[in-house]
Amino acid sequence: AQKITQTQPGMFVQEKEAVTLDCTYDTSDPSYGLFWYKQPSSGEMIFLIYQGSYDQQNATEGRYSLNFQKARKSANLVISASQLGDSAMYFCAMREGGAGGTSYGKLTFGQGTILTVHP
Amino acid sequence: DSGVTQTPKHLITATGQRVTLRCSPRSGDLSVYWYQQSLDQGLQFLIQYYNGEERAKGNILERFSAQQFPDLHSELNLSSLELGDSALYFCASSVAPHSGNTIYFGEGSWLTVV
Repeated sequence: AQKITQTQPGMFVQEKEAVTLDCTYDTSDPSYGLFWYKQPSSGEMIFLIYQGSYDQQNATEGRYSLNFQKARKSANLVISASQLGDSAMYFCAMREGGAGGTSYGKLTFGQGTILTVHP
Repeated sequence: DSGVTQTPKHLITATGQRVTLRCSPRSGDLSVYWYQQSLDQGLQFLIQYYNGEERAKGNILERFSAQQFPDLHSELNLSSLELGDSALYFCASSVAPHSGNTIYFGEGSWLTVV
């Protein structure tokens, strides 16, 4: 079974509008972390935001926020006030295991969502 | 700038050859990860080191090997290269291999095998 599912291969948004990128995950580990990364066409992988499984509040970083719904196992990324520079591939990823865990912290990635921002 | 440095950025080599990709983690990070990104396989975890010791192996071929040195930099060695090894190879680092530690990626090394 896929551990990370991103069901939107591509999304379009108008500049200055908000957009939500979907991510669902599957794990039986009570301790895990959820990450979003941005990959522009140049190829680098840019860290955007992190949400821990025990965090009570949804994570926010500037224009990025993570809508964390633990019971639904979803961790959607919300980008507010989209900019042309937001056009990129976006990956959701999960890291299982707390301190002393045997997963050793590797990330499992979804297939990604290509976001295109129109002027 | 993530603070993770990878060299070379681009590499073109012939089938059957061997290449070495180098990675310097962020200052203070003890854990290094290698990932391969290809069009057909997506992002695949290859191998992880923590403070010089191998900690986890993913979908790494036997033709590939890696190590982390005492100064914490890491090298990924790819040998007997095949056309299918053409991919973007990422190094990433974190302070420790716990779920709460952010993992930062380098800019990647583009490998083209011809």
